[in-house]
Amino acid sequence: DIVMTQSPDSLAVSLGERATINCKSSQSVLYGSDNQNYLAWYQQKPGQPPKLLIYWASTRESGVPDRFSGSGSGADFTLTISSLQAEDVATYFCQQYYNTPRTFGQGTKVEIK
Amino acid sequence: QVQLVQSGAEVKEPGASVKVSCKASGYTFTTHDIYWLRQATGQGLEWLGWMDPNSGYTSYARTFQGRVTMTRNTSISTAYMELNSLTSEDTGVYYCARRAAPDSWGQGTLVTVSS
Repeated sequence: DIVMTQSPDSLAVSLGERATINCKSSQSVLYGSDNQNYLAWYQQKPGQPPKLLIYWASTRESGVPDRFSGSGSGADFTLTISSLQAEDVATYFCQQYYNTPRTFGQGTKVEIK
Repeated sequence: QVQLVQSGAEVKEPGASVKVSCKASGYTFTTHDIYWLRQATGQGLEWLGWMDPNSGYTSYARTFQGRVTMTRNTSISTAYMELNSLTSEDTGVYYCARRAAPDSWGQGTLVTVSS
């Protein structure tokens, strides 16, 4: 199974400042035949299901604010919130869909400083 | 719009089975895989498996092999997940979701296993 490891576990950022979350996979999730990274990012607020933010490592889902961006390739990825807003307080997960079982990072809780 | 609506909360005794339903609307049910995941309170997400609603093909996580069954009724655009031999470790919120990088999720079904 591919192990997904996020860092940090929690993060406190001032409103308007940048938040950066890292995700490492235990093996590459870059598929050679299509040159795509099978990596997604989700936001989850208490009592709600996760919400897809980013897929193919860097493609923003429709309707997601452009302050959210994803980057990286192979086994190292980053989710960046360029200017943290109050509504961004949530837990963020990365997930690989390169193979089964699909696996998730343990989550990073983002709070306001 | 795309919606996945799950059945309501369940309370089960250890050793029992639970069957959760997931009704899809807003798209053609047979065109997208359905995934099942769960989340214990305050914990991360665990993938149970997936089903192709068109063919009925299923693939289960090794952890749940022999204990989980995913089925569907295409006439009512509904997917089902049944988990057997429940223990307290199975307590959590169960989600259905559409596609490998899920873009739509059910609201979640709380399953509580307690004697």
